[in-house]
Amino acid sequence: GAGVSQSPSNKVTEKGKDVELRCDPISGHTALYWYRQSLGQGLEFLIYFQGNSAPDKSGLPSDRFSAERTGGSVSTLTIQRTQQEDSAVYLCASSGGNGYTFGSGTRLTVV
Amino acid sequence: SQQGEEDPQALSIQEGENATMNCSYKTSINNLQWYRQNSGRGLVHLILIRSNEREKHSGRLRVTLDTSKKSSSLLITASRAADTASYFCATVWTGMTTDSWGKLQFGAGTQVVVTP
Repeated sequence: GAGVSQSPSNKVTEKGKDVELRCDPISGHTALYWYRQSLGQGLEFLIYFQGNSAPDKSGLPSDRFSAERTGGSVSTLTIQRTQQEDSAVYLCASSGGNGYTFGSGTRLTVV
Repeated sequence: SQQGEEDPQALSIQEGENATMNCSYKTSINNLQWYRQNSGRGLVHLILIRSNEREKHSGRLRVTLDTSKKSSSLLITASRAADTASYFCATVWTGMTTDSWGKLQFGAGTQVVVTP
């Protein structure tokens, strides 16, 4: 597609439930990134996929967070047993080696 | 920890004035990028400056980079109400990977308000 697409754009979930956030990167982009942004804060790196290399998971805040990228394209970020502190905007970006393009994000609210 | 730190945290100016914000970082970098974010959602890439460059222009934007001081500045000239947004610097730093497009490290941002 023309841009990075994220779904859903908004998600409200109950504490303790699992959620899946989806990212469709720009076709052909080998690099894909997930970031988290809490209200009024900067972006916090979560995970980075580059081609067939092992992902850089160094930013995942706990083992409740995981992500996969199937076929080098679509990525899913999964948060298990959600907590209220997980509430944030989750942003995905992709890169083909000449700049980064961000999606519009998924606003996750845990109630 | 976040690589970049912007200052000021907030800036309020009138249309037509220039807006300047600064970014400092901690380690050696491949490049430094500036982004704009409206309404807390998607980021828009504004400009990239590489570690061997000192100044770059794009329209009303001027970015400088001083690697000896580990700092960068973003100047928006002749600001408009539509420039109201949060501005973030982000770095791709050396040492962790040979990938020039490795993960970005973001600062906390400067919130700019331009009043008509």
